[in-house]
Amino acid sequence: GQQLNQSPQSMFIQEGEDVSMNCTSSSIFNTWLWYKQDPGEGPVLLIALYKAGELTSNGRLTAQFGITRKDSFLNISASIPSDVGIYFCAGRRNQGGKLIFGQGTELSVKP
Amino acid sequence: DGGITQSPKYLFRKEGQNVTLSCEQNLNHDAMYWYRQDPGQGLRLIYYSQIVNDFQKGDIAEGYSVSREKKESFPLTVTSAQKNPTAFYLCASSRDTGYEQYFGPGTRLTVT
Repeated sequence: GQQLNQSPQSMFIQEGEDVSMNCTSSSIFNTWLWYKQDPGEGPVLLIALYKAGELTSNGRLTAQFGITRKDSFLNISASIPSDVGIYFCAGRRNQGGKLIFGQGTELSVKP
Repeated sequence: DGGITQSPKYLFRKEGQNVTLSCEQNLNHDAMYWYRQDPGQGLRLIYYSQIVNDFQKGDIAEGYSVSREKKESFPLTVTSAQKNPTAFYLCASSRDTGYEQYFGPGTRLTVT
């Protein structure tokens, strides 16, 4: 099935640094979702985006729905140790369509 | 407290045995989903159900079966036909198929 290209695959950063990750597709999407997964747990929804150009924040997290509708970005500002985990993007091409997941970005934060 | 529960958290089975994973939600969601997650990979859709008594195959349905007799419940059976069943299984639900999905805590199945 179709894959989303999520990058980077992993990041090792110092506490306090900002983080950026992105997801790209060859197809146009009408929905982008960002999830965080802690080890051994289910993914938790962070941000949902439904319109091209939309910029949405959730605390220190900000996500954007790319203008081309083929990409999305997630930024984390002033990282803290509890930000550690795997971040997944997910997209949907049309209403009622299946969610397609990226491979995940594993974030490590050094205190 | 509204949410999705999966049980058990860890499950061990011998090869050749069928095993059923439980998923319950009290969010009043119509749609429910089962995903499989392998180390270092994204989530792959096994089955989904848009409404009671209806379900559709996902991308990797072979060796799995489901039922949806109640709105709240969507159990997944991993059959002996599944060639590589050891994985982390995640259940999710959404208000409808066009809305954001919420996940349960997952069940880690180990088959030896």
